[in-house]
Amino acid sequence: GENVEQHPSTLSVQEGDSAVIKCTYSDSASNYFPWYKQELGKGPQLIIDIRSNVGEKKDQRIAVTLNKTAKHFSLHITETQPEDSAVYFCAAINAGGTSYGKLTFGQGTILTVHP
Amino acid sequence: DAGVIQSPRHEVTEMGQEVTLRCKPISGHNSLFWYRQTMMRGLELLIYFNNNVPIDDSGMPEDRFSAKMPNASFSTLKIQPSEPRDSAVYFCASSLGTGGYEQYFGPGTRLTVT
Repeated sequence: GENVEQHPSTLSVQEGDSAVIKCTYSDSASNYFPWYKQELGKGPQLIIDIRSNVGEKKDQRIAVTLNKTAKHFSLHITETQPEDSAVYFCAAINAGGTSYGKLTFGQGTILTVHP
Repeated sequence: DAGVIQSPRHEVTEMGQEVTLRCKPISGHNSLFWYRQTMMRGLELLIYFNNNVPIDDSGMPEDRFSAKMPNASFSTLKIQPSEPRDSAVYFCASSLGTGGYEQYFGPGTRLTVT
């Protein structure tokens, strides 16, 4: 099955700095990679996703890059703000494969943005 | 839309008792997922349904756990008998389909088994 490794486990930055979280996956058939943000006491919420037919996607201050050859993808947050502080999870799935529906999540990264 | 609704939000019970967690998915979504989150094991998929039919329950830890989806708007996750190691936050999520569709998570049920 799929295995997703996420690094770092914790990340501390100053407000205004950039933050980068990296994930690697094992199944070359995986083709959909969502990123979720989880705030304290809440369920994870999708913030951005990317499919294997593109290498980069951007939405305001957040962007995701995908390297299919190396089997890794990254989340980039620019101009970080205190409200970006949360736990971030990457995930991978072979959408349309036999394991359809079964997202495999990374271990999570606790991001703290200091004012 | 109200989003995914879970109840109760918090449950404290004694070891050996039966626990039932409830979920109402977003209207129109045909896939429903049950997850468990702990510090040690992270976010684990327990079981998921497509069109009310269980597709994959390989994540259910043992026979003490069971899940049902009697109709498109309701699902339950039951633990009988409960044990202290079942203490965790249980999330329900729903999506328009399986695979590459956004999963919308509920607020979770925090279960404590003493």
